[in-house]
Amino acid sequence: SQKIEQNSEALNIQEGKTATLTCNYTNYSPAYLQWYRQDPGRGPVFLLLIRENEKEKRKERLKVTFDTTLKQSLFHITASQPADSATYLCALEGGSQGNLIFGKGTKLSVKP
Amino acid sequence: NAGVTQTPKFQVLKTGQSMTLQCAQDMNHEYMSWYRQDPGMGLRLIHYSVGAGITDQGEVPNGYNVSRSTTEDFPLRLLSAAPSQTSVYFCASSYHRSSSGYTFGSGTRLTVV
Repeated sequence: SQKIEQNSEALNIQEGKTATLTCNYTNYSPAYLQWYRQDPGRGPVFLLLIRENEKEKRKERLKVTFDTTLKQSLFHITASQPADSATYLCALEGGSQGNLIFGKGTKLSVKP
Repeated sequence: NAGVTQTPKFQVLKTGQSMTLQCAQDMNHEYMSWYRQDPGMGLRLIHYSVGAGITDQGEVPNGYNVSRSTTEDFPLRLLSAAPSQTSVYFCASSYHRSSSGYTFGSGTRLTVV
């Protein structure tokens, strides 16, 4: 079955720097890969979706890449701010019926 | 405001009690799902539905029932609560199971004692 690995439980960076989060998967390449933000005590919030035929997608200060050869997606936040501090989840189709499965997340802390 | 509404936000149950977690969405999404989130385990799919009258099991369905009589509502029923069901439960809805983003509710924090 498909497995997702977000290989950093926590990432600490300085304000203004670029944060880069990694999501690796183990088996077949999904048609879609998604990224979510989750704040403490809240539900995840959808950020971006990238398709397998898209190398890169941008939304304001966010950029996602999708490399089906490496079986990896990178999530970048440029000019990071303390308000970007949250847990970021990677998700892709991986269940037996193509449902979304989620990584365990990376907790990002941006220090002023 | 359009979105997913979950009730209650908090609940404490005694072992063996039953209860229903409510979930409603007003975006006319066909796909709805229930996840539980536990420390170190991430989000795990309990049950899902691709439309009214259609439900199916996810990764961890044991001890839970669902029904989908309308497009808007997707309640999750705990049949006989166990301490292992202590968790945070999230309902989500989407146009499609994987090709569109999910809208999540704010969650129900359940403690079974």
